[in-house]
Amino acid sequence: EPEVTQTPSHQVTQMGQEVILRCVPISNHLYFYWYRQILGQKVEFLVSFYNNEISEKSEIFDDQFSVERPDGSNFTLKIRSTKLEDSAMYFCASRGDRGEQYFGPGTRLTVT
Amino acid sequence: AQKVTQAQTEISVVEKEDVTLDCVYETRDTTYYLFWYKQPPSGELVFLIRRNSFDEQNEISGRYSWNFQKSTSSFNFTITASQVVDSAVYFCALSEEHSGYSTLTFGKGTMLLVSP
Repeated sequence: EPEVTQTPSHQVTQMGQEVILRCVPISNHLYFYWYRQILGQKVEFLVSFYNNEISEKSEIFDDQFSVERPDGSNFTLKIRSTKLEDSAMYFCASRGDRGEQYFGPGTRLTVT
Repeated sequence: AQKVTQAQTEISVVEKEDVTLDCVYETRDTTYYLFWYKQPPSGELVFLIRRNSFDEQNEISGRYSWNFQKSTSSFNFTITASQVVDSAVYFCALSEEHSGYSTLTFGKGTMLLVSP
């Protein structure tokens, strides 16, 4: 069964450093998403991406964040200068033709 | 006001008990979708069900059943004969027409602990 994959599973970085989180969505899906979950809290929407551009973004998704689909398979989230409060689990999701979003296993980002 | 409210923060049951997880939502749209996801201790989010606003039929899948009632804006989830493997955080989520169904708004989740 096709699935969304994410790498790395855990990333530790120092405050101020740039990080790139990678995702491979399900191959025939057209809509892609990033969400984050701060430890013990609910899952929060960051950004949606369709047809090679951002279709919607939340207040959390400020200028420090960017997304890219550099090739036909990968979908990346870049945080330019990480802050302590960026520490969270980041989930990538892709959306099927019936509207359901399938999530990857997540990348745990720890900013020290 | 929260769009998706899961009032139960944590529920503890003993194996084989039935348990119902509550979800109340708020939307101005007439067309929307409701979802349930399971997050086991390993952390991934597992899709369980998607229901559109025009389909109020209850659904049963094995030990899982869902009760959607538009009159009370609720989409409750029942696990029958719970098992230890059901222990997880369960999230209810809403996707609305006005946002092009492009985002999921999650509730805060209900942690279910099933003890042997």
